[in-house]
Amino acid sequence: DTEVTQTPKHLVMGMTNKKSLKCEQHMGHRAMYWYKQKAKKPPELMFVYSYEKLSINESVPSRFSPECPNSSLLNLHLHALQPEDSALYLCASKVRLLAGEGGTQYFGPGTRLLVL
Amino acid sequence: AQSVSQHNHHVILSEAASLELGCNYSYGGTVNLFWYVQYPGQHLQLLLKYFSGDPLVKGIKGFEAEFIKSKFSFNLRKPSVQWSDTAEYFCAVILFGNEKLTFGTGTRLTIIP
Repeated sequence: DTEVTQTPKHLVMGMTNKKSLKCEQHMGHRAMYWYKQKAKKPPELMFVYSYEKLSINESVPSRFSPECPNSSLLNLHLHALQPEDSALYLCASKVRLLAGEGGTQYFGPGTRLLVL
Repeated sequence: AQSVSQHNHHVILSEAASLELGCNYSYGGTVNLFWYVQYPGQHLQLLLKYFSGDPLVKGIKGFEAEFIKSKFSFNLRKPSVQWSDTAEYFCAVILFGNEKLTFGTGTRLTIIP
């Protein structure tokens, strides 16, 4: 089973709202990722967590706040977003960082976010 | 800067035609290579991957790719495409020892029945 689940599937929010995206995997993976994908563009890395600790932040604005409460869950808290933040937000997981030949990232279906 | 190039932005083929999508990267060290596919309205799925060993790798749905180290290339091939192969295809590269998976710009494949 290589399933990564994400909720909600769609989200519409105003610029003053606070919302959260959720990602879950039960594969025992210890590395989890957030990506942002704009239409007709490749995914862009935002954050990487390893063993529930933030490992990489790709200079993402502070209005995006990641959280990894346990080894199966990854959240992305959103606050005061801008319309240009509208995109597909993808979660991915991998068995662990620097996993060599086990190092395939498996992606969830994404949350399509629209900021009004 | 390290980069991944997919020169074919949009490819249109008839069913049963042969397919080759190009992917070139500019990393200097040991790399892990991937092809992902994104069907319309669906999420990224792994087609195939190369870590080491035989440079010709086979993936799902009849796809294969060949790693040519001297050319820094990892081209995707399929001998006979089907209408259901219509999708966006992304090549991705990760430098061994690094954690950033870098994607190419993607190739949109349209198969005409």
